[in-house]
Amino acid sequence: GAGVSQSPRYKVAKRGQDVALRCDPISGHVSLFWYQQALGQGPEFLTYFQNEAQLDKSGLPSDRFFAERPEGSVSTLKIQRTQQEDSAVYLCASSPWGYGVNTEAFFGQGTRLTVV
Amino acid sequence: QKEVEQNSGPLSVPEGAIASLNCTYSDRGSQSFFWYRQYSGKSPELIMSIYSNGDKEDGRFTAQLNKASQYVSLLIRDSQPSDSATYLCAVNPPTDSWGKLQFGAGTQVVVTP
Repeated sequence: GAGVSQSPRYKVAKRGQDVALRCDPISGHVSLFWYQQALGQGPEFLTYFQNEAQLDKSGLPSDRFFAERPEGSVSTLKIQRTQQEDSAVYLCASSPWGYGVNTEAFFGQGTRLTVV
Repeated sequence: QKEVEQNSGPLSVPEGAIASLNCTYSDRGSQSFFWYRQYSGKSPELIMSIYSNGDKEDGRFTAQLNKASQYVSLLIRDSQPSDSATYLCAVNPPTDSWGKLQFGAGTQVVVTP
């Protein structure tokens, strides 16, 4: 596709519900990042994939957060037992390069998650 | 202390004037520096990248990097109402090898006609 595509654009979840957020990166991009952006703040790093390998998950806030990219393209961020503090915009970004290269990431439109 | 600091603004700039945005970072060995523009409710859009000390110009935008002082700035010349947005400074920290970014909270710019 022309850009990074995320779905759904908006998600309202009841507290305790599980949610799955999808990211379709730019075709052929090696690197895929997930970020969380709270209102009025900059994006915060969650996790990084190089192809299908999850090389960095240091930003995941708890074990309720899980991400995968099984075939090295589409990625899913799953949040179990959602809490109100999980309300944020979840941004996916991809870049063409991987390890050791200065790189520029391209962001999707994000999924706005509201937990009620 | 956050790793990347920006003035939150809003920075009010008359149309046609120069907007000057500043960003400081704490990790001295940081390698790559980026400015993203984010319109309200939209995703961040890369507008400038800079990797070495000095100035880099692209159209109406100029990025300036001073690694010794650990700051990076963005100048927007001939500001237009369409430049009204939040500008995010992002840094690739030295401990990272594959492009993870640390963002500041952003500076809101308002260009007044």
